[in-house]
Amino acid sequence: GIQVEQSPPDLILQEGANSTLRCNFSDSVNNLQWFHQNPWGQLINLFYIPSGTKQNGRLSATTVATERYSLLYISSSQTTDSGVYFCAAQGGSNYKLTFGKGTLLTVNP
Amino acid sequence: KAGVTQTPRYLIKTRGQQVTLSCSPISGHRSVSWYQQTPGQGLQFLFEYFSETQRNKGNFPGRFSGRQFSNSRSEMNVSTLELGDSALYLCASSYTAANSPLHFGNGTRLTVT
Repeated sequence: GIQVEQSPPDLILQEGANSTLRCNFSDSVNNLQWFHQNPWGQLINLFYIPSGTKQNGRLSATTVATERYSLLYISSSQTTDSGVYFCAAQGGSNYKLTFGKGTLLTVNP
Repeated sequence: KAGVTQTPRYLIKTRGQQVTLSCSPISGHRSVSWYQQTPGQGLQFLFEYFSETQRNKGNFPGRFSGRQFSNSRSEMNVSTLELGDSALYLCASSYTAANSPLHFGNGTRLTVT
């Protein structure tokens, strides 16, 4: 099945800093999503982005499907951005998302 | 529009017992997926249902089963519980699973003693 690798595994920032999270996947995908899991365990869908670029406020994401990677950009980070960011990908028509191990982001005030 | 609702939020069971978890998807969503999250294994896919049919199953033993009803609500059952089944069980819904965003519920935290 498809393999999903995320980097870095951990990231510590000061409030106001920018960051880039990376997701590499091993095969062509028709479904690529980014999620944020807050400290209470709630998983929030940030982007559905199998290709191209999208922006939502301070967050944006780019997927380059031909090169098998996706990037999540967080600008002007806030303490509420802390948590784990997951990338998940699906290849073919197997109806399952394979999750990476996540990036643990800590934003300090 | 209401989000994905999972019940119960917390559950404590003893080894050997069985448990049933419930999930109500977002209105209009016909696909329901289940995931297990543990510190060691991360998020792992259990199964996916669409219109009452299981379309895919992850690498879990037969003790893990599920079903979907005609109103798209879903249940998963774990029989003969083991200590290693302690985890956060997450349900997610989407329009089709293949080409639409996945929305997760708050999860059921199962502790097996």
